[in-house]
Amino acid sequence: GAGVSQSPRYKVAKRGQDVALRCDPISGHVSLFWYQQALGQGPEFLTYFQNEAQLDKSGLPSDRFFAERPEGSVSTLKIQRTQQEDSAVYLCASSLEAGDWYGYTFGSGTRLTVV
Amino acid sequence: KQEVTQIPAALSVPEGENLVLNCSFTDSAIYNLQWFRQDPGKGLTSLLLIQSSQREQTSGRLNASLDKSSGRSTLYIAASQPGDSATYLCAVRSSASKIIFGSGTRLSIRP
Repeated sequence: GAGVSQSPRYKVAKRGQDVALRCDPISGHVSLFWYQQALGQGPEFLTYFQNEAQLDKSGLPSDRFFAERPEGSVSTLKIQRTQQEDSAVYLCASSLEAGDWYGYTFGSGTRLTVV
Repeated sequence: KQEVTQIPAALSVPEGENLVLNCSFTDSAIYNLQWFRQDPGKGLTSLLLIQSSQREQTSGRLNASLDKSSGRSTLYIAASQPGDSATYLCAVRSSASKIIFGSGTRLSIRP
């Protein structure tokens, strides 16, 4: 597609519920990233994929967070047993290659509210 | 560990003024630096990307500079307009797998 697409745009979850957030990167983009942005803060790195391989998951805040990209295109970020501190905007970005020359293109994000 | 700081956190200026937003980073071993714009409730729009070997990039009324040795970048906006009101984020790529963001500068242009 023309840009990075994320769904849903908004998600309200009850505490303890599991959620799944979807990211469709730009077609042909090798690298895919997930970021978490709390209100009034800059985005914080969660995890990185190069094709289907998850090369860096150092930013995932707990084992309740899980991400996958099984066919090297669409990615899903799953949060189990959601808690109020998980409320944030979750941003997905993709980059054409893994090299340092390329910048990132971001989606519009999924705003998660845990009540 | 790379840390990125943006000053000021918020800025309000009258329409037509030229202005400068500042970004500093602690580790000068970077691949590139990217300036983004974020409108309320929206994702990030890339404005300018400066490679580590470059000193500046220009796009329309925007000019971004990079001084790796001092760990600084500036975003210059000429002849500001109310439509420029947004949060501006600076992001540094110091590894292949991630970029580190500052907290942003919330810019308000008064008509």
